[in-house]
Amino acid sequence: NAGVTQTPKFQVLKTGQSMTLQCAQDMNHEYMSWYRQDPGMGLRLIHYSVGAGITDQGEVPNGYNVSRSTTEDFPLRLLSAAPSQTSVYFCASSYSQTATYGYTFGSGTRLTVV
Amino acid sequence: DAKTTQPPSMDCAEGRAANLPCNHSTISGNEYVYWYRQIHSQGPQYIIHGLKNNETNEMASLIITEDRKSSTLILPHATLRDTAVYYCIVRGGFYNQGGKLIFGQGTELSVKP
Repeated sequence: NAGVTQTPKFQVLKTGQSMTLQCAQDMNHEYMSWYRQDPGMGLRLIHYSVGAGITDQGEVPNGYNVSRSTTEDFPLRLLSAAPSQTSVYFCASSYSQTATYGYTFGSGTRLTVV
Repeated sequence: DAKTTQPPSMDCAEGRAANLPCNHSTISGNEYVYWYRQIHSQGPQYIIHGLKNNETNEMASLIITEDRKSSTLILPHATLRDTAVYYCIVRGGFYNQGGKLIFGQGTELSVKP
């Protein structure tokens, strides 16, 4: 039981490049989400999904796309990387988004855009 | 979701109990109190949560006051590996704000030998 797996762990991009951050969970969780963590800003929700085929925006969705074709995977795509997207990205999953369940987080992807 | 207030930092001697307080005076009836921690640069880790009653699991105990306006996370025998930032989060309702967790500044707990 691996929990939530994020790849890659580190990435350096040039401005304008695109890439996909991978997130996979093996707990059969319906709810998955992406956060970014910046110094002094705490974690902020980017996008989330309540099940396969269903996604929605969080509080900072601009510049990012997501899709959920399977229960297990929830990739985050950066369309055209900008220095402002330099951050640590965390994927989280749960049985449900309701307040009765805790979230399991991945170990993060550290992204630098130059 | 209600706002929370935590002390910015605390120290604890190794082997002693660590008691981390949290104030959530505007909590409403259907809101849960959650605790997560983040150990240096790792992903946040779920610790425990509760609604009204005190809760205990293999990691910690959660004591919620009768009026629910404050709570205390207790790590019964703190170790050096418990050094981390601890976040108290209040979440409520169903399908609220996309399940967003609002992380405040948390309490930086330092466990010392």
